[in-house]
Amino acid sequence: EDQVTQSPEALRLQEGESSSLNCSYTVSGLRGLFWYRQDPGKGPEFLFTLYSAGEEKEKERLKATLTKKESFLHITAPKPEDSATYLCAVQARGYQKVTFGTGTKLQVIP
Amino acid sequence: DVKVTQSSRYLVKRTGEKVFLECVQDMDHENMFWYRQDPGLGLRLIYFSYDVKMKEKGDIPEGYSVSREKKERFSLILESASTNQTSMYLCASSFPSEGNQPQHFGDGTRLSIL
Repeated sequence: EDQVTQSPEALRLQEGESSSLNCSYTVSGLRGLFWYRQDPGKGPEFLFTLYSAGEEKEKERLKATLTKKESFLHITAPKPEDSATYLCAVQARGYQKVTFGTGTKLQVIP
Repeated sequence: DVKVTQSSRYLVKRTGEKVFLECVQDMDHENMFWYRQDPGLGLRLIYFSYDVKMKEKGDIPEGYSVSREKKERFSLILESASTNQTSMYLCASSFPSEGNQPQHFGDGTRLSIL
């Protein structure tokens, strides 16, 4: 059974204080690992897909990296508008369904 | 941009009622999904559909059914609503996974069963 564990559950940062969110996973043959951002009262918004160990993707202050067992979402010099819940999900080869973690709730304080 | 539209943002129903949640996507996606999201439990897959009139059970299908008569529309049905079905319901759609396509989500329906 595929499993995704995200840590920490919650993270509070000062504006400009860089940090990383962790996503540990077990999957029988990784097809893709996805990162999403979810704002309160809204659906998850797609950020990145990573396919293989060593891959990196960047978007503004966010950078996602992937190893064979975990993924990190690095946030550089965050701003208050980066406050949201960040979700990680994995998809196994040969399957349409995706398994989600429970998310990290990020709060960035001005 | 992909648009996934859920018919209601908030819904209040009574125990025992039959409840319909509707979802429409405008990107000609083959796959459509229904999840529920609860604090501490994350997103859990209820049902998904990979083609018109095709469906597969997800992780928590009990008490739910689905209908997909047209490619763009996927309905979730609560046959006899119960209080433990109070939750946020999210619909998503995607192209088939062979292309490593991500799922795109609607903004959810917050359903309360009284």
